[in-house]
Amino acid sequence: GAVVSQHPSRVICKSGTSVKIECRSLDFQATTMFWYRQFPKQSLMLMATSNEGSKATYEQGVEKDKFLINHASLTLSTLTVTSAHPEDSSFYICSATSSGGAPDTQYFGPGTRLTVL
Amino acid sequence: GEDVEQSLFLSVREGDSSVINCTYTDSSSTYLYWYKQEPGAGLQLLTYIFSNMDMKQDQRLTVLLNKKDKHLSLRIADTQTGDSAIYFCAETPGYSSASKIIFGSGTRLSIRP
Repeated sequence: GAVVSQHPSRVICKSGTSVKIECRSLDFQATTMFWYRQFPKQSLMLMATSNEGSKATYEQGVEKDKFLINHASLTLSTLTVTSAHPEDSSFYICSATSSGGAPDTQYFGPGTRLTVL
Repeated sequence: GEDVEQSLFLSVREGDSSVINCTYTDSSSTYLYWYKQEPGAGLQLLTYIFSNMDMKQDQRLTVLLNKKDKHLSLRIADTQTGDSAIYFCAETPGYSSASKIIFGSGTRLSIRP
């Protein structure tokens, strides 16, 4: 099946610094990538949807200047958490989909655990 | 808006069947899904059902959809210790054209010997 990787898997940073998380589709071209945030023992919250070569669409309540998304190619999307604060600590998961099948199956990455000190 | 609800916990004995239930509010949902998440990992799509279907079976998994009651269930036959995980019910809203998925809160399935 399709594989999506995320890097890094775990990151610890100081408050005020920026952190970049990469999401890659390894064996398929992803027309759309999604970024989710998951709090402990809670569901996934969709943060934004990104299409290659265009600006990301952010969900209501998600600060676009805080969470910068770049979908530079059909296999790579990045999420940068700018000026991170402890409340940004969370599990960030990306998913990727390619157009074609019904439904457009989302393939999920393994997640990145961010801890902001 | 759309909403997907599940019970938070389920405990079953090894070898028994597990039934995880889900209710949703969007009557125009096109697809409904069950995802599995093991500790510290991403999500794995287990199965999905199109909204005009009543039932789908795939090996040990049976999905039942009652569209009138907006109720979805996942039955796992002969539950094994490897089935311990969080199971998320999810739907694609009828208005969505971008594969957007709305997730429930997840049901933590634990297996007792």
